[in-house]
Amino acid sequence: KNEVEQSPQNLTAQEGEFITINCSYSVGISALHWLQQHPGGGIVSLFMLSSGKKKHGRLIATINIQEKHSSLHITASHPRDSAVYICAVLFGNEKLTFGTGTRLTIIP
Amino acid sequence: GAVVSQHPSRVICKSGTSVKIECRSLDFQATTMFWYRQFPKQSLMLMATSNEGSKATYEQGVEKDKFLINHASLTLSTLTVTSAHPEDSSFYICSARTGGHGYTFGSGTRLTVV
Repeated sequence: KNEVEQSPQNLTAQEGEFITINCSYSVGISALHWLQQHPGGGIVSLFMLSSGKKKHGRLIATINIQEKHSSLHITASHPRDSAVYICAVLFGNEKLTFGTGTRLTIIP
Repeated sequence: GAVVSQHPSRVICKSGTSVKIECRSLDFQATTMFWYRQFPKQSLMLMATSNEGSKATYEQGVEKDKFLINHASLTLSTLTVTSAHPEDSSFYICSARTGGHGYTFGSGTRLTVV
């Protein structure tokens, strides 16, 4: 069964802290997406990865294909980073399989 | 980048009425559109996949007569919730493939049925 597990479910941190959110999946994939969902509901695609590492501003995403694991890091976290972060995986067909999300709260 | 415009963002309707949600690709052609439903504090659940010019493919357990999907052009897909009931109240969101393995999402529609 194609499964995606995310951890932690909830994360509260102080402003400035380094944040790590993890995603593990069960079988080989075509691609992995990290998504950000703000309280209003809209979803923004942050990264799409099939190997290695990507960086955009304070966000870094890595993926280890052998270990079937990806991480999303946020450096120098800020209250505006507070959102739900979702890992979504493409297992070879068109349909994304979503993790349950990590609710991140950054306290000023 | 590729943008999908979704309308309305919020809608309140009376029980028994129908509501139409539109997703429009603004600067690319969306051959395939995915429709999701999300309950509070839960992940997205795929409802159906719509392909331009053909019938939508519904996921198991999703009533196709209740959730009508139309994808008549390469830039517009619609989801109509027919004879809405309070249990249909939810957050609905669409997404489209943007080439390769990329996806872009609409901004979502929060439906409240009273």
